[in-house]
Amino acid sequence: AQSVTQLGSHVSVSEGALVLLRCNYSSSVPPYLFWYVQYPNQGLQLLLKYTSAATLVKGINGFEAEFKKSETSFHLTKPSAHMSDAAEYFCAVSVDTGRRALTFGSGTRLQVQP
Amino acid sequence: GAGVSQSPSNKVTEKGKDVELRCDPISGHTALYWYRQSLGQGLEFLIYFQGNSAPDKSGLPSDRFSAERTGGSVSTLTIQRTQQEDSAVYLCASSLRQPPYEQYFGPGTRLTVT
Repeated sequence: AQSVTQLGSHVSVSEGALVLLRCNYSSSVPPYLFWYVQYPNQGLQLLLKYTSAATLVKGINGFEAEFKKSETSFHLTKPSAHMSDAAEYFCAVSVDTGRRALTFGSGTRLQVQP
Repeated sequence: GAGVSQSPSNKVTEKGKDVELRCDPISGHTALYWYRQSLGQGLEFLIYFQGNSAPDKSGLPSDRFSAERTGGSVSTLTIQRTQQEDSAVYLCASSLRQPPYEQYFGPGTRLTVT
């Protein structure tokens, strides 16, 4: 079975500062990894995905994530935070067997201070 | 193109009543998933449909929950004899049947059981 741990349920940064949201995963087979963002009262929007093609993955809205197998990590970063980045972020894992359902982390709420 | 749509967006029901939630996936997506998002449990997988195969119901929390998918497209999630602990946001997602099987989510249905 797969699992995801997101360290930090709340992260607060200043506008223009670096954003770093942490995600560690566990999987017995090669994983697919995803980051989703959820704005208030909305569904989940796919930010980026790791598919083994490249370890550094670029997504929408200036976000990127780096897959590090040795650390079983897939941390999300953005060089300069915008007020519009305030939302909840979920890391998720799936594998290429069975139902391929997503297993989600508990989420990190990002607050951006002016 | 059109994304995943869900209806209703909000549903308030009395304890003991039955409810039906609808999901219309992205055209051409053969896989359809239902998830539940609640404060205490985070994001949980409920059920998975893939084409004409038998659904994977392993995430359904009780036999009061059921789902069907008609014609390989629209899906309905039914909750019978609703309980207060069923209050949550129910999210539907769809994906193509090819790696990395990234899932696209609808806006969700917020269910409140009074």
